[in-house]
Amino acid sequence: QVQLQQWGAGLLKPSETLSLTCAVYGGSLSHFYWTWIRQPPGKGLEWIGEISHSGSTSYNPSLKSRVTISVDTSREHLSLNVSSVTAADTAVYYCARQTTVTTPHTSYILDLWGQGTTVAVSS
Amino acid sequence: EIVLTQSPGTLSLSPGERATLSCRASQSFRTSYLAWYQHKPGQAPRLLIYGASSRATGIPDRFSGSASGTDFTLTISRLEPEDCAVYYCQQSGRSPTTFGQGTKVEIK
Repeated sequence: QVQLQQWGAGLLKPSETLSLTCAVYGGSLSHFYWTWIRQPPGKGLEWIGEISHSGSTSYNPSLKSRVTISVDTSREHLSLNVSSVTAADTAVYYCARQTTVTTPHTSYILDLWGQGTTVAVSS
Repeated sequence: EIVLTQSPGTLSLSPGERATLSCRASQSFRTSYLAWYQHKPGQAPRLLIYGASSRATGIPDRFSGSASGTDFTLTISRLEPEDCAVYYCQQSGRSPTTFGQGTKVEIK
């Protein structure tokens, strides 16, 4: 059974860089898109961006200048970096697999999620 | 970007009652790119509905989705205690992918 396992630093100071890793166990990065999503305390879900197994990326314009998503296919890992963090970046961060479904019509679904990583930014 | 507005913010119902959750999009997009997720505290979100009306694998048939233009509805026909959660609609038809702000379902 495919599982996603996340890890990374949970406490950061303002201006530092957030770095998270998501590992795919029991499966492969190939043939899927992979996304990062976050949930600030008391708020809803926010899409950060996505990457294909070949490294093609798309980012949320609101975060684009500070975000980098990358993949390491040799280790079946994907990574998220967010530079110059502030308190507004405090959130639970999730990695998720995006699968393309073709029946009855083409749909994109987030069908596999990591367990979530809580990141707090505080001086 | 497409803004998804969910209503109501909170729904408080008794077990066995019917829950109707609404999601309205600010722009049109292909309805096959609308999904619903259930999110419980301390857990990752779970896919319920994709393509506006198709149930994901393992989702009970009391969950159903429908679409009419830019209006989308998630219906829980007979609430069970384990349905207590926040429900999000999500569109991936136009970048960036966006989520609604969520509807919290409380069980009395």
